[in-house]
Amino acid sequence: KQEVTQIPAALSVPEGENLVLNCSFTDSAIYNLQWFRQDPGKGLTSLLLIQSSQREQTSGRLNASLDKSSGRSTLYIAASQPGDSATYLCAVKGGTSGSRLTFGEGTQLTVNP
Amino acid sequence: DVKVTQSSRYLVKRTGEKVFLECVQDMDHENMFWYRQDPGLGLRLIYFSYDVKMKEKGDIPEGYSVSREKKERFSLILESASTNQTSMYLCASSSPYWDSKIEAFFGQGTRLTVV
Repeated sequence: KQEVTQIPAALSVPEGENLVLNCSFTDSAIYNLQWFRQDPGKGLTSLLLIQSSQREQTSGRLNASLDKSSGRSTLYIAASQPGDSATYLCAVKGGTSGSRLTFGEGTQLTVNP
Repeated sequence: DVKVTQSSRYLVKRTGEKVFLECVQDMDHENMFWYRQDPGLGLRLIYFSYDVKMKEKGDIPEGYSVSREKKERFSLILESASTNQTSMYLCASSSPYWDSKIEAFFGQGTRLTVV
């Protein structure tokens, strides 16, 4: 059964800092990995999707990398802003879980002004 | 630009009531999912559907059922609501497992309180 772990569970940084969120998964036979953002009491907003054949994807200040063989992905946020404060979740599709999306428990990020 | 719409943001229901949560997607996705999210437990899959009238149990299906009569609509049914079903419910849709290029999208969530 696919398991996804996110480290750290919570992170508090001053504004302007560059930061890295980590995601690891146990079954490397995935089709893709997706990073989401969730604001309190809201649904999930898709940030980046990396296909299994790709190494990284970029969108603005966000860069996500994927090392499928080692079962790891990182989300890099450059020049963090208070508006980046949210919970970040990674999800994988495929492997023994087929069409299911398997989620980590998320990293709760606080960016202090 | 709405992609996945859940019928209610907030619901309050009484114990024992039959509750329907509706979800509609406009992306022609084959797969649709229902998750619940609780503090400290993350997102847990209740049911998913990979085609019209097709469904598969997730990790916590007890006390729930689903219906998918049309491709765009996926309903979650609480047969007899209980207080331990108080939670945030999230609907999602995505492409088939073999299509790695298409993102999954989520609705805005339904906060259900059972009293």
